[in-house]
Amino acid sequence: EVQLVESGGGLIQPGGSLRLSCEVSGFTASRNYMSWVRQAPGKGLDWVSIIYSGGSTYYADSVRGRFTISRDDSKNTLYLQMKSLRAEDTAVYYCARDFDGSGNYPYYWGQGTLVTVSS
Amino acid sequence: NFMLTQPHSVSESPGKTVTISCTGSSGSIASNYVQWYQQRPGSAPTTVIYEDNQRPSGVPDRFSGSIDSSSNSASLIISGLKTEDEADYYCQSYDSSNHQVFGGGTKLTVL
Repeated sequence: EVQLVESGGGLIQPGGSLRLSCEVSGFTASRNYMSWVRQAPGKGLDWVSIIYSGGSTYYADSVRGRFTISRDDSKNTLYLQMKSLRAEDTAVYYCARDFDGSGNYPYYWGQGTLVTVSS
Repeated sequence: NFMLTQPHSVSESPGKTVTISCTGSSGSIASNYVQWYQQRPGSAPTTVIYEDNQRPSGVPDRFSGSIDSSSNSASLIISGLKTEDEADYYCQSYDSSNHQVFGGGTKLTVL
């Protein structure tokens, strides 16, 4: 069974850093396209970043230079390192996997972890 | 910037059919796959349609997807509406950099 479990969210002050984790099971993260998608309170879905199976990484303009996506193949875990956090980064962050290892779109979703940026 | 526009809300009665549209701001929506996600209050999104018109296992065949090149739009069609279909629905496609773009979401009310 495919499972994605996010962790690492919490309350952080503006300008601070936080690392989100997405521990996966039932598949090998390195063989799939893995995305981070966020949702601000009461708002819609917003793509953040993706790492392809080959290791290429891409970012939304709003987070490029501040966020870094990575994975640890030995732990089958996806990460999102977030720096210089802003109030507008407050959101539930979802990690997602593609369908079959070649699709640049979320298919399986985690339950999300809440990040609150506030002083 | 490429955008996907959805109606803010739609409502329909149980047993009826509803269509939720998703219109691309430029280019050809038919040139990239469109996905649709359902999100119930307090829950994570789930996939109801992928690659324009494919249904994940477990999604009832009351859900279908289509593409209309003439209007540069995609549609999610839900027939035989049930109260459990009440949720927010999001379409997703891609911009010119092949980055994921989501529509603003449509709140479906089944009354």
